[in-house]
Amino acid sequence: QSALTQPASVSGSPGQSITISCTGTSSDVGGYNYVSWYQQHPGKAPKVMIYDVINRPSGVSNRFSGSKSGNTASLTISGLQVEDEADYYCSSYTTSSTLVFGGGTKLTVL
Amino acid sequence: DVQLVQSGAEVKKPGESLKISCKGSGYSFSTYWIGWVRQMPGKGLEWMGIIYPDDSDTRYNPSFQGQVTISADKSVNTAYLQWSSLKASDSAIYYCARTLGLAAATVWGQGTKVTVSS
Repeated sequence: QSALTQPASVSGSPGQSITISCTGTSSDVGGYNYVSWYQQHPGKAPKVMIYDVINRPSGVSNRFSGSKSGNTASLTISGLQVEDEADYYCSSYTTSSTLVFGGGTKLTVL
Repeated sequence: DVQLVQSGAEVKKPGESLKISCKGSGYSFSTYWIGWVRQMPGKGLEWMGIIYPDDSDTRYNPSFQGQVTISADKSVNTAYLQWSSLKASDSAIYYCARTLGLAAATVWGQGTKVTVSS
């Protein structure tokens, strides 16, 4: 069971939009609509930002959105803010009835 | 408020055993899956496994099968992560998380730091 593939880092300026990709296989990302995205600031526990590919939990800014095409899911953050700088992880349910994370992406807001 | 409260930081020697806990409150503990996540120093998140407290149905990720034991006691609303013989490479922060079905982790514990050193 391999980790999902994410870019190691992305960056953007305040106000811009960025997209983080998460590539898996038909046994995970492509096979189920159970992709979620987590934000983790240094020294803090992760926080769910998107679940079931496109759903945003109550309290999460509508600047965060999710999508999926085939075996690749994406997280888009629009109107970047300094406080969005963090590590982001995707996660998917798998055919083994377990969960798998991506390797994580460090977002820098320049 | 729905919350998960984990046990405190541990410092252990290689070969020792350890059991850390995750106590849920503010919801029906038995009817939500609880997962355990490892984060080694400076590294990413890794799912270790997940348990359904009502019947103790447990699923382990292959890398952790046989390396740890996940259990739960619904009478005290607590899930556990256990090692029989710790290694230095077990040093990490361990998080528990409540999931929506076998999917999104919507509630997280504060993390338990485990340090294994001779």
